[in-house]
Amino acid sequence: ETGVTQSPTHLIKTRGQQVTLRCSSQSGHNTVSWYQQALGQGPQFIFQYYREEENGRGNFPPRFSGLQFPNYSSELNVNALELDDSALYLCASSYSGTGSFNEQFFGPGTRLTVL
Amino acid sequence: RKEVEQDPGPFNVPEGATVAFNCTYSNSASQSFFWYRQDCRKEPKLLMSVYSSGNEDGRFTAQLNRASQYISLLIRDSKLSDSATYLCVVTYNYGQNFVFGPGTRLSVLP
Repeated sequence: ETGVTQSPTHLIKTRGQQVTLRCSSQSGHNTVSWYQQALGQGPQFIFQYYREEENGRGNFPPRFSGLQFPNYSSELNVNALELDDSALYLCASSYSGTGSFNEQFFGPGTRLTVL
Repeated sequence: RKEVEQDPGPFNVPEGATVAFNCTYSNSASQSFFWYRQDCRKEPKLLMSVYSSGNEDGRFTAQLNRASQYISLLIRDSKLSDSATYLCVVTYNYGQNFVFGPGTRLSVLP
């Protein structure tokens, strides 16, 4: 096991609602990345947090936002949910620093269904 | 053109076969390369990092050709437990950008 945890495991929401997903990073890691994975596709990068600041962002609208806390855990918030937001949301933790190879270790994911 | 492309698959092979997966990437500034495997409805798990000199881990061999912007994964003596989707990953901006390919599904048949 990677030591990366996510909650909740599953979630059902309706269009227009807001959702918050949570992630606890692996001990010793300081960076958290979030991905959206639709069925049959590879994970798509949403954004990354390092030292409590957004450190990179993929092609996702502003209604996708996040936070990182001093203990390196993180939240992903999605406002005004759309049907296409239904997907597996993956959190990955890594260590960013001198000499690091940036391998990312994934949590089990949160499966979000928007009705 | 997608940033990272992989063989479309699926690959259906008998136990004991050797199978090779190919991956190409478009960003010449890419810095690190990985292969992940993902079992059905599970999270991706790191299989191996890919080094410029090529590297081997048991039955698995990864190769990188920076000039051709090409990565490969070879699985020898495939086992039933190798059945999974194999994801090629390319990073740049010192790990800020971690780009997955669409994956290639492998089914190893008895």
